[in-house]
Amino acid sequence: ELKVEQNPLFLSMQEGKNYTIYCNYSTTSDRLYWYRQDPGKSLESLFVLLSNGAVKQEGRLMASLDTKARLSTLHITAAVHDLSATYFCAVDPLAGGGGADGLTFGKGTHLIIQP
Amino acid sequence: DVKVTQSSRYLVKRTGEKVFLECVQDMDHENMFWYRQDPGLGLRLIYFSYDVKMKEKGDIPEGYSVSREKKERFSLILESASTNQTSMYLCASSASQPQHFGDGTRLSIL
Repeated sequence: ELKVEQNPLFLSMQEGKNYTIYCNYSTTSDRLYWYRQDPGKSLESLFVLLSNGAVKQEGRLMASLDTKARLSTLHITAAVHDLSATYFCAVDPLAGGGGADGLTFGKGTHLIIQP
Repeated sequence: DVKVTQSSRYLVKRTGEKVFLECVQDMDHENMFWYRQDPGLGLRLIYFSYDVKMKEKGDIPEGYSVSREKKERFSLILESASTNQTSMYLCASSASQPQHFGDGTRLSIL
């Protein structure tokens, strides 16, 4: 059974600081996704990581994937209040899967960025 | 943009009722999914479908069934609703990845 663990689950940080959210998973997979969810809203896709060593950046967020360590990170640089949200990582349970399979999600990291 | 539409944002039903949650996508995606989201548990996969009339069990299918008669529509059915099925239900669709999510249905079973 695939397990996906995120940490931390709660994070309060100040604007301007850097921080990293970690996502570990338990079985072989080369497809990992990061989503953002604002309160009362649906999930928005942030990053799709499809191979070992993949790195994607969008604004102040950067995601990376190390399939050998079964680890993905979401790094926040110089945080701003607008990045406050819950962030989920999700893993495709089938290595090389074509997208027809359901994802296994982490429990989410609730991020609060204070002025 | 991909549009995944769930028929209700909020729904209140009684224990023992048969409940239907509807999801429609407008991008001709082959794959559709139902998840439930509970505080502290993240999202858990209930059922998914990779083609019309095809369905696969996810991680927590007990107490649920699904129907996919048309490519664009995927229905989740609670055969006899129970209070432990009170939750947020999210539908998603995809061609490959990522999955695109609807706004969710917050279902309360009294």
